[in-house]
Formats: sequence, C-alpha cells, structure tokens
Amino acid sequence: AQSVTQLDSHVSVSEGTPVLLRCNYSSSYSPSLFWYVQHPNKGLQLLLKYTSAATLVKGINGFEAEFKKSETSFHLTKPSAHMSDAAEYFCVVSDQVGRGSTLGRLYFGRGTQLTVWP
Amino acid sequence: DGGITQSPKYLFRKEGQNVTLSCEQNLNHDAMYWYRQDPGQGLRLIYYSQIVNDFQKGDIAEGYSVSREKKESFPLTVTSAQKNPTAFYLCASSIAANTEAFFGQGTRLTVV
Repeated sequence: AQSVTQLDSHVSVSEGTPVLLRCNYSSSYSPSLFWYVQHPNKGLQLLLKYTSAATLVKGINGFEAEFKKSETSFHLTKPSAHMSDAAEYFCVVSDQVGRGSTLGRLYFGRGTQLTVWP
Repeated sequence: DGGITQSPKYLFRKEGQNVTLSCEQNLNHDAMYWYRQDPGQGLRLIYYSQIVNDFQKGDIAEGYSVSREKKESFPLTVTSAQKNPTAFYLCASSIAANTEAFFGQGTRLTVV
C-alpha cells in the first residue's frame, strides 16, 4: 500500500536560515512524488514534482527536493527562509503503475506547518 | 484565465439539510477529485472521477454523493447522513490520473 509520512508536524526557523521538511514514503511501484504548499484558507499550490527523471528536483520560490530511493525519502529544502514561506507543506505520492480504479491516486501526508521568525 | 473555481467560499447550513458544493474547471482535465481537510489530518479523499459519467469512492465517501455529467463540472453533495460535515473542502483536477493535481481555493462549510 502507498503511504506518506511527514516526520515533523511543525518546523520553526529564523528568516535567512535553511529549511528542511522531511518526507518518507512507501510505494509498491515506481512512484511520482510532489510537494505542495498551502497558505491559510487557500487551495494547494504545486511546489515541485519528481517523475523518475533527475533525482534532484528544483521547484518554485527556491525550493528543491531530492529523491533517495534507498532511503525512500523526498525531503524538501530551501537554503534561506523568507517570511513569505510560512505556510503548511504537504508531501504527496502517486503510483505510476497500479491496478483498476486505484491507478494514479494521490496519497497525502498530514502536513508540516512551517513558521518563519523574523 | 484557466483554473478551478469552487463556490461559494464560505457556506453555512443547518443540521439535517443537504448542501451542494460547486466545482468547475476549464483546464480540459479528465480527472477530478474532492478532498476534505480537517486540522492535523491532511487531505482525505472523498470521491474521484477519471472520466465523464464515472466516479469512484475514496476513503471517506459515506454521507457524500457526486455526479460527473460534464467534463468541466464535479459537484459534491453533503447529505444529512454525514455525521460531522463541518470542514474545509477542496476540489482538484489533473490531466490524467497520476499527474499533478491543480486545486481550487476551497469551500469552508459550517453546519450549525
């Protein structure tokens, strides 16, 4: 079965310091992996995606993530946090191969709330 | 401007009433989804549709119903059978299953 574990429910950093949001996944097949960001009372916006090309994926707003198959991880990083990065972040996994109606379903982690202090 | 439109943004209903949440997309996407979001629980899948006139139950379909009569539209009805309907509801679409999903701005439903 597919699942996603976001290892921290809350992360706090100071502005200008690095950000690390951790995500581990389990998947029976070759996964596609995504990171989304959600600001309060808004929909989700795609930050970046991994679909079996380069293992280091660059996204919007200076974020990047590295796919590590041996560790089943897809951690999100940013070298220098900005106040506008404060939001909730979701790691998502989807199967590339599946059976029947479960093909391509998205499985969400529970989210990591990022706080950025001035 | 292409995108997904959910309406209304805020909705209040009395307990025991059915209510329908609207979701329209002009992205020409085949797949559409409804999620429910509660604090600390992430997003839980209610229903999804991979093609017109077809849909499948997600993880928490009880007390909800959907239709997919048009490619652009995927309305969600929250029925009186849903025991705890107060939540933030998000609609999404994707060009196909397994590709990235695009989300609407959500509808916050409060049942009193």
